Amino acid sequence: NAGVMQNPRHLVRRRGQEARLRCSPMKGHSHVYWYRQLPEEGLKFMVYLQKENIIDESGMPKERFSAEFPKEGPSILRIQQVVRGDSAAYFCASSTQTGVQETQYFGPGTRLLVL
Amino acid sequence: SQKIEQNSEALNIQEGKTATLTCNYTNYSPAYLQWYRQDPGRGPVFLLLIRENEKEKRKERLKVTFDTTLKQSLFHITASQPADSATYLCALDDGNNRLAFGKGNQVVVIP
Repeated sequence: NAGVMQNPRHLVRRRGQEARLRCSPMKGHSHVYWYRQLPEEGLKFMVYLQKENIIDESGMPKERFSAEFPKEGPSILRIQQVVRGDSAAYFCASSTQTGVQETQYFGPGTRLLVL
Repeated sequence: SQKIEQNSEALNIQEGKTATLTCNYTNYSPAYLQWYRQDPGRGPVFLLLIRENEKEKRKERLKVTFDTTLKQSLFHITASQPADSATYLCALDDGNNRLAFGKGNQVVVIP
């Protein structure tokens, strides 16, 4: 039973380019969460999605960032016109149900470096 | 403001001893608190969840306590092993059905 998969594991972009991060949740999980971890900082919640719905995007920057979880295929976190401050590790997690009492299973992360 | 505080200094401990980590929080009223382990270059791995009405939870060599009066959770690793070396993250519900994480506390178990 494969765990949460994320790709790419490492991504290098120049300022102004777009970054697309993909997350395939664990089999049977319909809830996906994205977190960002800056160097020397804790994980920060960004967005929570269910299939075809954004449930909570209160942690997402208002501009340049978007997320989707289509009916078919992985969840995508998209960062347009990247800046150096976007350099971080981006983690995806999934769970079977909603609620903070539910265990979230994390992927290995995508490490984004903006040059 | 809301804060989750974990010791920023690494805990160096001799193999076989008990490692104890602290998680203090301010301006949260969590119904649940979770502990995760994170190894370098990897994603967090869930270890334990404790509810506000539970004082203590155990899983193998791990023990977690939750004191809602002190607003504190303690995480213990008994009979520590070098393989326990990692960063341990405290996470709690922020009241809006989201997990808020501390920065983590690194543990180094010395053989």
